Amino acid sequence: QKEVEQNSGPLSVPEGAIASLNCTYSDRGSQSFFWYRQYSGKSPELIMSIYSNGDQEDGRFTAQLNKASQYVSLLIRDSQPSDSATYLCAVNRRGYSTLTFGKGTMLLVSP
Amino acid sequence: GAVVSQHPSRVICKSGTSVKIECRSLDFQATTMFWYRQFPKQSLMLMATSNEGSKATYEQGVEKDKFLINHASLTLSTLTVTSAHPEDSSFYICSARSLAQGDEQFFGPGTRLTVL
Repeated sequence: QKEVEQNSGPLSVPEGAIASLNCTYSDRGSQSFFWYRQYSGKSPELIMSIYSNGDQEDGRFTAQLNKASQYVSLLIRDSQPSDSATYLCAVNRRGYSTLTFGKGTMLLVSP
Repeated sequence: GAVVSQHPSRVICKSGTSVKIECRSLDFQATTMFWYRQFPKQSLMLMATSNEGSKATYEQGVEKDKFLINHASLTLSTLTVTSAHPEDSSFYICSARSLAQGDEQFFGPGTRLTVL
């Protein structure tokens, strides 16, 4: 079983729509959850962190965590073409200093 | 805050030479730094974890004698690719973590290595 799973996409949404990105993880002891955005040819950029169940909002981005379902999601409201990138879900498993990354979901926002 | 720099951003070298890549945390002290490699259209692959003042921990399959990592201070880690070969051509990215900032890792801009 893969430790962090994401749909590879691409997820295509029109400009102005809500993009919903999903991630599941296998280790129930995971304690910290992150979303990174990676543009083609660039390094990942941290956009959201979430540590407890519920929603965490920052501007157009909302991260949602459900530990019982082992599920993390990222909502992007009012999607813009500049949001087109690969979004990486990362999980910090208890007892580990490293992050476990999913393979990423490619998001395409069309004008 | 939480800015990580990498130098050089791009390097082209001949087969058999060694290349050093520097990773610096500019505005925080990085208790732990990580080195990743990413091939085109593939996911990040963790190569090693380094803590200041101690030997790096390498992931399975990564040759520690080929990829030398030094974490001499709380703001600087270096990766040296020794006797580079064309198959080492890749995008090398470092990240840094500070206990003061929780479990978040902040990535440098990456170094694109091309070995001819």
